[in-house]
Amino acid sequence: RKEVEQDPGPFNVPEGATVAFNCTYSNSASQSFFWYRQDCRKEPKLLMSVYSSGNEDGRFTAQLNRASQYISLLIRDSKLSDSATYLCVVILNTDKLIFGTGTRLQVFP
Amino acid sequence: DADVTQTPRNRITKTGKRIMLECSQTKGHDRMYWYRQDPGLGLRLIYYSFDVKDINKGEISDGYSVSRQAQAKFSLSLESAIPNQTALYFCATSDGSTGQETQYFGPGTRLLVL
Repeated sequence: RKEVEQDPGPFNVPEGATVAFNCTYSNSASQSFFWYRQDCRKEPKLLMSVYSSGNEDGRFTAQLNRASQYISLLIRDSKLSDSATYLCVVILNTDKLIFGTGTRLQVFP
Repeated sequence: DADVTQTPRNRITKTGKRIMLECSQTKGHDRMYWYRQDPGLGLRLIYYSFDVKDINKGEISDGYSVSRQAQAKFSLSLESAIPNQTALYFCATSDGSTGQETQYFGPGTRLLVL
């Protein structure tokens, strides 16, 4: 089993739709969780951290479920500019960051 | 100006050649990383360094070496390039002094080994 798993997609959604991605992780000792965004042929950039209590940033909501060992990202009112690949990142300890392979989102008009 | 820069941005080389990829940062971060990204495999850590005197192997260090010449510079070398090292290479930094784990990536270097 991979340490971090994501559905590669693509998720094709119309503008205005709500879309959710999940990411599962295998090590229960994982400490920190993040979502990064990567545009085609560009570098990954931090989208948001994921806190135990859940957190929201505008149209984006991230949640953590430690019991089931997954994190989620919800995007409301999708925009064309949200089209990208979303990478789940799990930090096991200071020395080890693990990236998921990414979920591709395509928002169409 | 970009905070994390990589040179070259694109490189084509032949099997057996030695090649160096360079990374510089102006963020003042102490931690630097080299990753490669392949389709379907995501980002994989090659080497990382927490300060000038600290070098650590990552998940896939075989065939690579690194040098941390200064706090701001971290270079990756392929001593004898082979075709399966064709990939997109990213350098990244993070600020270990604050315990912040956010990674800041350079723009990437596309390497093609023929």
